[in-house]
Amino acid sequence: TQLLEQSPQFLSIQEGENLTVYCNSSSVFSSLQWYRQEPGEGPVLLVTVVTGGEVKKLKRLTFQFGDARKDSSLHITAAQPGDTGLYLCAGSGNEKLTFGTGTRLTIIP
Amino acid sequence: DAGVTQSPTHLIKTRGQHVTLRCSPISGHKSVSWYQQVLGQGPQFIFQYYEKEERGRGNFPDRFSARQFPNYSSELNVNALLLGDSALYLCASSFSPRQGSTPEQFFGPGTRLTVL
Repeated sequence: TQLLEQSPQFLSIQEGENLTVYCNSSSVFSSLQWYRQEPGEGPVLLVTVVTGGEVKKLKRLTFQFGDARKDSSLHITAAQPGDTGLYLCAGSGNEKLTFGTGTRLTIIP
Repeated sequence: DAGVTQSPTHLIKTRGQHVTLRCSPISGHKSVSWYQQVLGQGPQFIFQYYEKEERGRGNFPDRFSARQFPNYSSELNVNALLLGDSALYLCASSFSPRQGSTPEQFFGPGTRLTVL
């Protein structure tokens, strides 16, 4: 069974601070996706990383895929209240997504 | 274009009852996947359908079943409901899964099922 562990599970920080969320697995994935989910809504795709060592930037968000394609990180610079939400990583393989346990992020104005 | 739509948005059932949840994919998408998201956890894969055929099944009991229609919409059925089936049920559509690949999936808002 492929498992994805995210850390931290909960994170509450002040507006303007930086943060990093981690996604770790013992399994190799063909690609890894990051989603943000807000209450009452489905997850919304932020980025897909495919190549080991790949780094992608989306405005203040930086995503990195581990060299061995088993882990990933999401770094947010100068967090804003609009960044509040549940962040999910999901590994692709065998035509399905395996989601991580989630990180609930709260940005305090 | 409309995104993935799901109905109903909320549903309350009692133990032992059955439920049918519905999903309409994005126009042009031929694949639909179903996920169960228990409060405080990430979504868990239940089924994937492509061109009306089951392409994948997660670790769920036989009480869970699904089907896909010629217009690519899908239904998820759950029989003999248990309290533990209370969750947000998410549907996701994608264009066309190449064998062995996992293309980008677009999620609907989900159906919140409460079993009393």
